[in-house]
Amino acid sequence: NAGVTQTPKFQVLKTGQSMTLQCAQDMNHEYMSWYRQDPGMGLRLIHYSVGAGITDQGEVPNGYNVSRSTTEDFPLRLLSAAPSQTSVYFCASSYVRRRDNSPLHFGNGTRLTVT
Amino acid sequence: TQLLEQSPQFLSIQEGENLTVYCNSSSVFSSLQWYRQEPGEGPVLLVTVVTGGEVKKLKRLTFQFGDARKDSSLHITAAQPGDTGLYLCAGATGANSKLTFGKGITLSVRP
Repeated sequence: NAGVTQTPKFQVLKTGQSMTLQCAQDMNHEYMSWYRQDPGMGLRLIHYSVGAGITDQGEVPNGYNVSRSTTEDFPLRLLSAAPSQTSVYFCASSYVRRRDNSPLHFGNGTRLTVT
Repeated sequence: TQLLEQSPQFLSIQEGENLTVYCNSSSVFSSLQWYRQEPGEGPVLLVTVVTGGEVKKLKRLTFQFGDARKDSSLHITAAQPGDTGLYLCAGATGANSKLTFGKGITLSVRP
């Protein structure tokens, strides 16, 4: 079972460069999200989507764009990388049900360094 | 923003000891989840609690949801080195599975 797949696992960028972090899930989950994890800050929600064609901002959306053209994929784009975006990025997905206790399934993360 | 405070932030104990860690908020959550994260990996769900006062056991781990659904505790009996990791609590509100995470508790169990 593949689950949630993130690519690449590691990336180094120079300030001002752009890149896309890929996320794919094969569980037919409606809900997908991106978090960043920084020391002492926990997991912070960047953007999320409750279905294809629908995206919304989380807690820290500035500097990031997302799109959801298919149920399976939810790429995260950095338009102009900044050192403050150095972090570990996690993609997570879940079912959307009437009761809001659906567990999140996480990928193994992308470790991004911006110099 | 609904804040989840986890305590203690760091904990280092000897194998065989018992421990309790906490997840507290001033907000009411409809459900609360605990995840464990190991280095280089994403968090993995341990348990979901949804009813005030609910107690769930997962082998040596006991999870409790507060009566008012604002706080939760995790008790580990006879800790083992395999319990080492980052423990995250996350509270859910609304129907879109949007979760608010605490900053986590780093647990180290020494052999």
